[in-house]
Amino acid sequence: SYELTQPPSVSVSPGQTASITCSGDKLGDKYACWYQQKAGQSPVLVIYQDNKRPSGIPERFSGSNSGNTATLTISGTQAMDEADYYCQAWDSTLRVFGGGTKLTVL
Amino acid sequence: EVHLVESGGGLVQPGGSLRLSCAASGFTFSSYWMHWVRRAPGKGLVWVSHINSDGRSTNYADSVKGRFTISRDNAKNTLYLQMNSLRADDTAVYYCASTVVTLHSYDYWGQGTLVTVSS
Repeated sequence: SYELTQPPSVSVSPGQTASITCSGDKLGDKYACWYQQKAGQSPVLVIYQDNKRPSGIPERFSGSNSGNTATLTISGTQAMDEADYYCQAWDSTLRVFGGGTKLTVL
Repeated sequence: EVHLVESGGGLVQPGGSLRLSCAASGFTFSSYWMHWVRRAPGKGLVWVSHINSDGRSTNYADSVKGRFTISRDNAKNTLYLQMNSLRADDTAVYYCASTVVTLHSYDYWGQGTLVTVSS
C-alpha cells in the first residue's frame, strides 16, 4: 500500500519560514494537498493541486511537489499557524494521508 | 454557504453497528463526490471511504472493507456511513468532507461525530 512520510514535529520562531515535507514514491506524479488542523477543530484545506491556495488562505502558505517530495512552506509564520498539518496524495484511486506534522511556533 | 453536519455517533459495544449521517446544504449535493475521513485519539487523519455523485461508484480503505458501507440519498442531500462489526480500533471522530470548489482535495468538512467502541 502507498505510504506518505512526514516529520512528526517542526519548530519555528515567529516571523521565520517553516517547511514541512511529505515523502512518497513518485509523489510528484500525483496531486498533493495540505490540511491544517488546530486542536478541537475540523481540518482546513490550505493547499490543493500541489501549489494552489483556496480562497481565504493567506499568501504566506505555499506548496510544491516534485520527485518524491511535496513541501508546505509557511513564510512569516505566526502564532496562529501552530497546528497539525497533513499532506494527502491523490490519483485516480489513491486518497492516502501522511502521518501528520505538529508545527510549534516558539 | 456550504454546511456539512454529521450525526449518529455514540458509544457502541464491539461487534455492534452504527449509522452515521451527514446533512449537506449550500451546494448542489447531487453533483459532487463525498467522503468519510476519521481521526482516532492521538492519531492522524485516515481516509475511510468515498462515493461518486450518483452513488454508483464507491471505494473503501482496506481496514473497513466488508464492514462499512457508504451511501447517499441525493433527494435528501444526505450522506451515510453504515458501520457493522465495529472494533475498538474504529474508535475515532468521523468527518464527512466534500470536493466542491477545489479539485483533488477536500474543501469542506463537517464538525465531526465521535464513535466510541467499547464494552
